[in-house]
Amino acid sequence: QQQVKQSPQSLIVQKGGISIINCAYENTAFDYFPWYQQFPGKGPALLIAIRPDVSEKKEGRFTISFNKSAKQFSLHIMDSQPGDSATYFCAASQRSGGYQKVTFGTGTKLQVIP
Amino acid sequence: DVKVTQSSRYLVKRTGEKVFLECVQDMDHENMFWYRQDPGLGLRLIYFSYDVKMKEKGDIPEGYSVSREKKERFSLILESASTNQTSMYLCASCDRGSDTQYFGPGTRLTVL
Repeated sequence: QQQVKQSPQSLIVQKGGISIINCAYENTAFDYFPWYQQFPGKGPALLIAIRPDVSEKKEGRFTISFNKSAKQFSLHIMDSQPGDSATYFCAASQRSGGYQKVTFGTGTKLQVIP
Repeated sequence: DVKVTQSSRYLVKRTGEKVFLECVQDMDHENMFWYRQDPGLGLRLIYFSYDVKMKEKGDIPEGYSVSREKKERFSLILESASTNQTSMYLCASCDRGSDTQYFGPGTRLTVL
């Protein structure tokens, strides 16, 4: 049962272009939406996150757009660089006792070509 | 910086062997997690622990067990490894009440 659907599975973008990764969720109890970035040979690391009470969050070249009514959110990478080449996971979580139960998307492998 | 370490980067085992994957975190986090990562399936939660000796099943616990005898250490055990357990295994930790999970580098397990 895939509760967070992520697309595309892979993405090739020219250097300087905009990379866009989309996610959709079903469970309205989710209250936190992080994006994790994973480089080859490394574990995922938190990149940026948003709560459902805001529609957009920007950190440098990375922006999350959030549409609560459509239950969709997306990651935009502006001015994409070869160093951004990595696998990106969207996630959605809800508090369960003393921890956040996280459901991950299936991942998007981004390649930024010079 | 939070550091989560995993005992092996690569592991090759034979079908039927008992396999131990170890994870250690140095930030005194209460919560620790084991995920497996497979292409096209993302990260799936196997087990998590919210305190020493406490554990809860995740989404895919079948064929696995865990042990948490000390706060900083969380072990994943494959009682009798099977080929369908060939995967990348990721350990993570986070503080109670925190939203951010910190991941180790992963152990790529191959079961022959």
